[in-house]
This record gives sequence, structure tokens and C-alpha cells, in this order.
Amino acid sequence: GENVEQHPSTLSVQEGDSAVIKCTYSDSASNYFPWYKQELGKGPQLIIDIRSNVGEKKDQRIAVTLNKTAKHFSLHITETQPEDSAVYFCAASILDMRFGAGTRLTVKP
Amino acid sequence: GAVVSQHPSRVICKSGTSVKIECRSLDFQATTMFWYRQFPKQSLMLMATSNEGSKATYEQGVEKDKFLINHASLTLSTLTVTSAHPEDSSFYICSARDPLSGGDNEQFFGPGTRLTVL
Repeated sequence: GENVEQHPSTLSVQEGDSAVIKCTYSDSASNYFPWYKQELGKGPQLIIDIRSNVGEKKDQRIAVTLNKTAKHFSLHITETQPEDSAVYFCAASILDMRFGAGTRLTVKP
Repeated sequence: GAVVSQHPSRVICKSGTSVKIECRSLDFQATTMFWYRQFPKQSLMLMATSNEGSKATYEQGVEKDKFLINHASLTLSTLTVTSAHPEDSSFYICSARDPLSGGDNEQFFGPGTRLTVL
């Protein structure tokens, strides 16, 4: 089955800096790669996603890149703000979804 | 659009009792719903896939007789934790797939239910 690895487990940046989180997946058949933000005590919230026929996608301060050959994808957050502090999960999906272990991002004001 | 709700948001029960959690798709019909469990500071682990009108498919290691799933309508799936024990205390999250969303495998997540078993 699909195995998703996510790094780093924790990330601390200064407000205004960029943050990058990386994930790798094992099943080359996976074709959908969402990123979720989860705040304490809440369900995951989709922030951006990418499909296997696209290499990069951007939405304001958030971007995701996908390298199908290497089977890895990354989340880029620019101009970070304290409200970006949360746990971020990557996932890879064929039909069901497998999640990475999560990255706790802290943005220091 | 694509809103998923869960009820209750948190529940505390005594060991040995059963607890039912509801997952509803509010503005779309979901032929497939998923149930996840998340322990503190851990990731979401898929427990089972719930298909409307048929039996749920459970992940390896998840006891189907302990975690009863019913998906009787296109907008409602329920998870019943039977004979709950303290080790079942966790954050249970459901998600639903909207077949009309344009993406075959996009899932919309509920807000989660915090279960505490005393």
C-alpha cells in the first residue's frame, strides 16, 4: 500500500520568512496530492492540492510542486504570518488517502 | 459548498458503554465516506471506508465488530464505538467524497469528534 513520508516534523520560522515542507510517496499510481492545515481540536482543512498531470500550482502565498519521477511533492508558504502556525499534513491518494506524519509549523512574530 | 458536519463534537462516556458518532454531508450526496482516527500529536489513520448501501471496508487491524459503521443514506454515515475502553479515547474524523466535485478522490473533512472514555 501507499506510504507517505513527511519532513520536517517541526519547523520554526520568523514572520515573513518562507517555509517548505516536503513529502515522498511510494505508490506511483497515486494521482492526487492534497495538503491540509489542522489547528488544535479541529478537523483538517484543505489548503491546496495538485494532481499528477500538473507540476506546480500556486494560490497566493501557498504553492505546491510535484515531481512524479522522484515521487515527491512540496508545500511552499511565502511571507509567513503567525496565523499560519498549525500542523500541516500532506497526503497521497489513488482512491483512499494516506497521510504523512505531519509538520508542526511555528511562525514567530 | 462541500460541507461535512459531525455530531457530537465531543463526548465523554464510561468504560463499557457504546457511543455513536454521526457524519453528515450537508450540501452534497456522498456515496463514499471515510472514518479516521487521530491520537494526540499523530497523523490521521484511516479506519474504514463506508459506501452507501453496502458494508464498510475496514483497514487491517481495525475491529469491525467494535467499530460499527452504517451508511444508510447518501448524506449520513454513523460510527458506533461498542463497549468503549480508555484506549479508544481519540479524535475521530470523517470525510466524504463528492462525486460531482470534479475530482474523483478529493475528500471533504468534518470537524472531528473528541471521544474520552473514562
